[in-house]
Amino acid sequence: GAVVSQHPSRVICKSGTSVKIECRSLDFQATTMFWYRQFPKQSLMLMATSNEGSKATYEQGVEKDKFLINHASLTLSTLTVTSAHPEDSSFYICSARDNGDGELFFGEGSRLTVL
Amino acid sequence: AQKVTQAQTEISVVEKEDVTLDCVYETRDTTYYLFWYKQPPSGELVFLIRRNSFDEQNEISGRYSWNFQKSTSSFNFTITASQVVDSAVYFCALQRSYNTDKLIFGTGTRLQVFP
Repeated sequence: GAVVSQHPSRVICKSGTSVKIECRSLDFQATTMFWYRQFPKQSLMLMATSNEGSKATYEQGVEKDKFLINHASLTLSTLTVTSAHPEDSSFYICSARDNGDGELFFGEGSRLTVL
Repeated sequence: AQKVTQAQTEISVVEKEDVTLDCVYETRDTTYYLFWYKQPPSGELVFLIRRNSFDEQNEISGRYSWNFQKSTSSFNFTITASQVVDSAVYFCALQRSYNTDKLIFGTGTRLQVFP
């Protein structure tokens, strides 16, 4: 079946550094990808919709300068958490929409811990 | 506005018991899609089912069954003869348009199945 790969699966960084998380569709093309954030024992909250070749659409309350999204190809979207702080520690999950049939596939998630 | 409510935060059962997870949704759209996902402790989202608003037929897949009732805006999920491996967080989600829109998740229900 279709696979969406996220990398890294776990990352620990120091406060003030930037961290990049990749979301890659392995066997299909995805013009649209979504980035979700999940705090411990909470639901998935949509952060932004990533569109290949254009600017991402951010949900209300999400700082676009803090969470940079780049969707430079039909198989790759990246989320960069800039100047990370401990409150950015969370589980980040991406999903990619298959251009062929519209089906959504989720990545395995990336757990970010900011010290 | 669209909203998904999973009123049960946590459910604990003993193996072999049947358990039903409730999901109530709100939408003004006549066409929409409902989903159930399983999130085991490892974090990845496992797709369980997708149902469109025009198909109210109940579905059974092994020990899993789903009851969709538009009259009460509910899409409940039942696990028959639960097993320890069923322990996970289960999310119900709503999507306005299959090919173009994002998923809106409920807050999830944590199911613990004890041996």
